[in-house]
Amino acid sequence: AQKITQTQPGMFVQEKEAVTLDCTYDTSDQSYGLFWYKQPSSGEMIFLIYQGSYDEQNATEGRYSLNFQKARKSANLVISASQLGDSAMYFCAMRERLGAGNMLTFGGGTRLMVKP
Amino acid sequence: DVKVTQSSRYLVKRTGEKVFLECVQDMDHENMFWYRQDPGLGLRLIYFSYDVKMKEKGDIPEGYSVSREKKERFSLILESASTNQTSMYLCASEGYSYEQYFGPGTRLTVT
Repeated sequence: AQKITQTQPGMFVQEKEAVTLDCTYDTSDQSYGLFWYKQPSSGEMIFLIYQGSYDEQNATEGRYSLNFQKARKSANLVISASQLGDSAMYFCAMRERLGAGNMLTFGGGTRLMVKP
Repeated sequence: DVKVTQSSRYLVKRTGEKVFLECVQDMDHENMFWYRQDPGLGLRLIYFSYDVKMKEKGDIPEGYSVSREKKERFSLILESASTNQTSMYLCASEGYSYEQYFGPGTRLTVT
């Protein structure tokens, strides 16, 4: 079974508007971490934001926020005020059993295209 | 800022050649990772290392080996390159909140 599911292969958003990228996950662990990465066409993976399973507040980092709904097992990324430079692939990832040396599992990604 | 560098952005090798991909991080991180990324298959973990001289297999270790002689350096070795190892290779170093910082990637083509 897929551990991380990103159901939107591609999305368009108008510049300056907000956009939500979906991510659902599957785990039976109590302690886990959720991450979002951005990969522009240059290929480099850029860490954006992190949410721990025990964090009660949604994580925010500048224009990025993570809408964490634990009961629904979703960790959607919200980008406010989209910019042309936000056009990229976005990957959701999970690490189970934090601290136990486990691996990061990535979703299939969503390609975001920002229209001027 | 964390900096992860990889020895080459683009590399072309012939089938059967031995290939070395090097990765260096400057943040004294203990955990380092090698992934390959292929269209439709996403990122797949090849090997990771949690300390000098320590290594663990990831999801797809076949055809690869690794070396970690110094904390800041993690090398991926293709003992005898094959065309199905043509891919994008990404190295990552793990921070203290488990976030991974990636290098710029190496696009390897094996002909």
